[in-house]
Amino acid sequence: RKEVEQDPGPFNVPEGATVAFNCTYSNSASQSFFWYRQDCRKEPKLLMSVYSSGNEDGRFTAQLNRASQYISLLIRDSKLSDSATYLCVAIYNFNKFYFGSGTKLNVKP
Amino acid sequence: ETGVTQSPTHLIKTRGQQVTLRCSSQSGHNTVSWYQQALGQGPQFIFQYYREEENGRGNFPPRFSGLQFPNYSSELNVNALELDDSALYLCASSLRLAGGLRQETQYFGPGTRLLVL
Repeated sequence: RKEVEQDPGPFNVPEGATVAFNCTYSNSASQSFFWYRQDCRKEPKLLMSVYSSGNEDGRFTAQLNRASQYISLLIRDSKLSDSATYLCVAIYNFNKFYFGSGTKLNVKP
Repeated sequence: ETGVTQSPTHLIKTRGQQVTLRCSSQSGHNTVSWYQQALGQGPQFIFQYYREEENGRGNFPPRFSGLQFPNYSSELNVNALELDDSALYLCASSLRLAGGLRQETQYFGPGTRLLVL
């Protein structure tokens, strides 16, 4: 079983739609969580950290559910420029990093 | 831009050869992590270097080794290359605080694309 699992998608949504991704992790001792976005043939870029209390950055909202061991990312009012692969990562023992395989989002006009 | 640089950008090797990839961390960062990303997959953690020592390792064989230098730059060495080693190799730098336990956010370099023939 993988440490972090994501639905690979693709999620095909029209501009302006709201879309949500989940990511499950297997190690309950995981300490920190992040969402990254990765454009085709580029490096991952940090999108946001994920906290138990939830955090919001403009159109993006991230949430952590420790009881069910998943993190989520909600994107409101999708833009064409949001098209990318979204990667979640869980950090265990402060020095082990586990990325999911990514969820592909296609936002269409 | 993150300020993390990697060299070379692309590399072609043959099976059995050895390769060295280089990474310069972002100014002020003291920790470098290396990842392997195969096509269509997420980055797989190889290892992390902190204070010039390996500090955390993923499920990679010993032929994957590394170094960190006093200026916090780092090298990834892979011996006895195999076809499956073909991938994008990413390094990420970060700043460890609070006695070395708290892990801050990682920032990635553009990667080195390695093709093993």
